[in-house]
Amino acid sequence: DQQVKQNSPSLSVQEGRISILNCDYTNSMFDYFLWYKKYPAEGPTFLISISSIKDKNEDGRFTVFLNKSAKHLSLHIVPSQPGDSAVYFCAASINRDDKIIFGKGTRLHILP
Amino acid sequence: ETGVTQSPTHLIKTRGQQVTLRCSSQSGHNTVSWYQQALGQGPQFIFQYYREEENGRGNFPPRFSGLQFPNYSSELNVNALELDDSALYLCASSLLVTGGLNEQFFGPGTRLTVL
Repeated sequence: DQQVKQNSPSLSVQEGRISILNCDYTNSMFDYFLWYKKYPAEGPTFLISISSIKDKNEDGRFTVFLNKSAKHLSLHIVPSQPGDSAVYFCAASINRDDKIIFGKGTRLHILP
Repeated sequence: ETGVTQSPTHLIKTRGQQVTLRCSSQSGHNTVSWYQQALGQGPQFIFQYYREEENGRGNFPPRFSGLQFPNYSSELNVNALELDDSALYLCASSLLVTGGLNEQFFGPGTRLTVL
């Protein structure tokens, strides 16, 4: 039973364009959502988060959108850069509990 | 400031054996969480330790156990290894503060292969 779903295993985007990574969740108790980025041979690094009381959070080139009624969130990266090539994990928790539930990840390739 | 470190980097064991994985938390952190990441999957929460006590556990059998030491470093022990235990084991440390972000910082992981 996967509570956090990332249905696209991979995504290729031209450098300079917008990358949009999608995530769906099933547990309506989730109230805190996070995106992590992972390079090979490294642990995941925190990228951006959003609380369920908001529908948008922006940090530089990264913006996360939350649609609670659809139980859907997305990460927008604009403009995409070569260093953005990595695996991106969507994750969620309840009450900012440290028990974080991760999706399977989406591998983003930024093309030159 | 030292980040989260894990040892060993890679490990090969056979079925039925026992293994101990180690994690050193980031300086100033009081909480450590362990995750298992199987191939093609996202990290799965195993358990968390806060001030040397277990503070939450995921859906893993009792043969997965842990310890946190006074210096907040931690061990993950797995007994009676099974082939499906082959995975990347990630440790994450954080500073647990009520109402805080509790951002977790991950180590690079230990790759365990069970033959």
